[in-house]
Amino acid sequence: RKEVEQDPGPFNVPEGATVAFNCTYSNSASQSFFWYRQDCRKEPKLLMSVYSSGNEDGRFTAQLNRASQYISLLIRDSKLSDSATYLCVVNKDTGRRALTFGSGTRLQVQP
Amino acid sequence: DAGVIQSPRHEVTEMGQEVTLRCKPISGHNSLFWYRQTMMRGLELLIYFNNNVPIDDSGMPEDRFSAKMPNASFSTLKIQPSEPRDSAVYFCASSFDWGSTGELFFGEGSRLTVL
Repeated sequence: RKEVEQDPGPFNVPEGATVAFNCTYSNSASQSFFWYRQDCRKEPKLLMSVYSSGNEDGRFTAQLNRASQYISLLIRDSKLSDSATYLCVVNKDTGRRALTFGSGTRLQVQP
Repeated sequence: DAGVIQSPRHEVTEMGQEVTLRCKPISGHNSLFWYRQTMMRGLELLIYFNNNVPIDDSGMPEDRFSAKMPNASFSTLKIQPSEPRDSAVYFCASSFDWGSTGELFFGEGSRLTVL
């Protein structure tokens, strides 16, 4: 089983739609969680951290469910510029282990 | 400010040849990571350094791969001999005491094709 699993998509949605992605992780000892965004043929960039209480950044909302070991990302009012691959990222502890990336979920927002 | 700089951006080589990928991290960052990305396997951590010391190289696929960080501003990833299955995009990333924000700063990647 992969450490971090995501539905690869693609999710094809019209502009203005709300779309949600889920991600599951296998290690219950995981401590920190993030969403990264990767545009086509570009490098990944941090989109937002995911906090236990849930957090929001503009149109983006991230949630964490430790009991079920899943993380979600909600995008409201989708824009064409949101088209990208969204990578779920987990680390096992806040010590010296590096980040483990999911394979990503591709989003295509259509006019 | 300059970001993470990788070279070459593209490399096409023949099976059996040696490949050296280079990375200059962001000045002041003390952690450096090498990742490999393929369609099949996604983004995989190969090795990472903290204060120039290799911390975890368990992701290095086999002895054909080696990485060095001789100083805080330079790292190399070498493949010798290269094989077609090594074809991928290799990303270098750096961070400062990475843990606090989880933010890694990635270079633009080196796209390797082994024929």
